[in-house]
Amino acid sequence: LAKTTQPISMDSYEGQEVNITCSHNNIATNDYITWYQQFPSQGPRFIIQGYKTKVTNEVASLFIPADRKSSTLSLPRVSLSDTAVYYCLVGVPARQLTFGSGTQLTVLP
Amino acid sequence: NAGVTQTPKFQVLKTGQSMTLQCAQDMNHNSMYWYRQDPGMGLRLIYYSASEGTTDKGEVPNGYNVSRLNKREFSLRLESAAPSQTSVYFCASSGLARGVGNQPQHFGDGTRLSIL
Repeated sequence: LAKTTQPISMDSYEGQEVNITCSHNNIATNDYITWYQQFPSQGPRFIIQGYKTKVTNEVASLFIPADRKSSTLSLPRVSLSDTAVYYCLVGVPARQLTFGSGTQLTVLP
Repeated sequence: NAGVTQTPKFQVLKTGQSMTLQCAQDMNHNSMYWYRQDPGMGLRLIYYSASEGTTDKGEVPNGYNVSRLNKREFSLRLESAAPSQTSVYFCASSGLARGVGNQPQHFGDGTRLSIL
């Protein structure tokens, strides 16, 4: 199973763009990269998934370089409500996904 | 739109007691999962059910049993609770993956279980 490495924590200010990078050096050819967000006392919530290059949806963008050994979740113009833990997961199928400790993002006023 | 519903939300047990955690989803998903999350940690997969009638062990299955009662319901049972099983338990479901990639997992709000 591909192991992922993320920063333990990050701070940002409201209105800034936040980039969280995840390393996954031993990603397999069939693996997808998936990001989840978790607020306190809630279950994780799917944010975005990608295989290569760039994926964008209404809440985030995911950048994946050609070698796929890392990925960057980009959150545009964060607000206080984006304070949460963000998890990077690599693998397929879903039963093989491993949630690491995630990145605690704190957005400051 | 309920999504994934877990009951109960909170429970306190004594060591050695048994308990069943209930989970139901209304999204017609094929796959269901049980995770545990200890303080400050990520989620760890206990058991999963790829489809109705099948169950398989995840990363930390010891001390637990599961039942996929039907397509909607997936229960987790602690036969003899131990303090080490104090945790927050999350149930999740996902649809059938078409082609490559994963269908997103949809999570319930968890059951907070304390074992004294």
